[in-house]
Amino acid sequence: DSGVTQTPKHLITATGQRVTLRCSPRSGDLSVYWYQQSLDQGLQFLIQYYNGEERAKGNILERFSAQQFPDLHSELNLSSLELGDSALYFCASSVDRESYGYTFGSGTRLTVV
Amino acid sequence: AQSVTQPDIHITVSEGASLELRCNYSYGATPYLFWYVQSPGQGLQLLLKYFSGDTLVQGIKGFEAEFKRSQSSFNLRKPSVHWSDAAEYFCAVGEVPGNTGKLIFGQGTTLQVKP
Repeated sequence: DSGVTQTPKHLITATGQRVTLRCSPRSGDLSVYWYQQSLDQGLQFLIQYYNGEERAKGNILERFSAQQFPDLHSELNLSSLELGDSALYFCASSVDRESYGYTFGSGTRLTVV
Repeated sequence: AQSVTQPDIHITVSEGASLELRCNYSYGATPYLFWYVQSPGQGLQLLLKYFSGDTLVQGIKGFEAEFKRSQSSFNLRKPSVHWSDAAEYFCAVGEVPGNTGKLIFGQGTTLQVKP
């Protein structure tokens, strides 16, 4: 157990729908990162939050959004889902905003049908 | 832009044999370098990291990696592979400037271990 909790572990939904993925960081960690892992794109950085504020943005689609709440958990919202959004979505956390080598959760596998 | 290349998509080694997984990066200055391992159905676990100093880095599970600036490489090694090492291995570089904490990953190398 890495200490980073992601729910749900699996999600199957239809095209056009909206889903929310949840991440609870390790105790004491202020920074949360979201990554997408797909067969064709590999591991891609989506977005980072630090203590409730957006810190860095990667190749995140406009249909996707995220936020970090006062209790530091984070949610990744995916809307107008397409088949190509099927992927493994990872959350990671670290103590501060510039830490590398952080801890990953076990991921949420999203399947869009 | 920074990038990471793992030339070998798939590698098979016999149990007990030595292992070397290749990683090349593109970045002018000294990068922050990492190796992660992902077992089936699991998240990514950090094996080791290099920021500066001694170019030979020791990690968990008996792994080590050597930073070679002249070759822009950060190859992962293990002297004797165990069946439990079968997994996917990712090399990554920390994005700079900005020190955002963002990691840029290679495409990964799948390691198969023969009994």
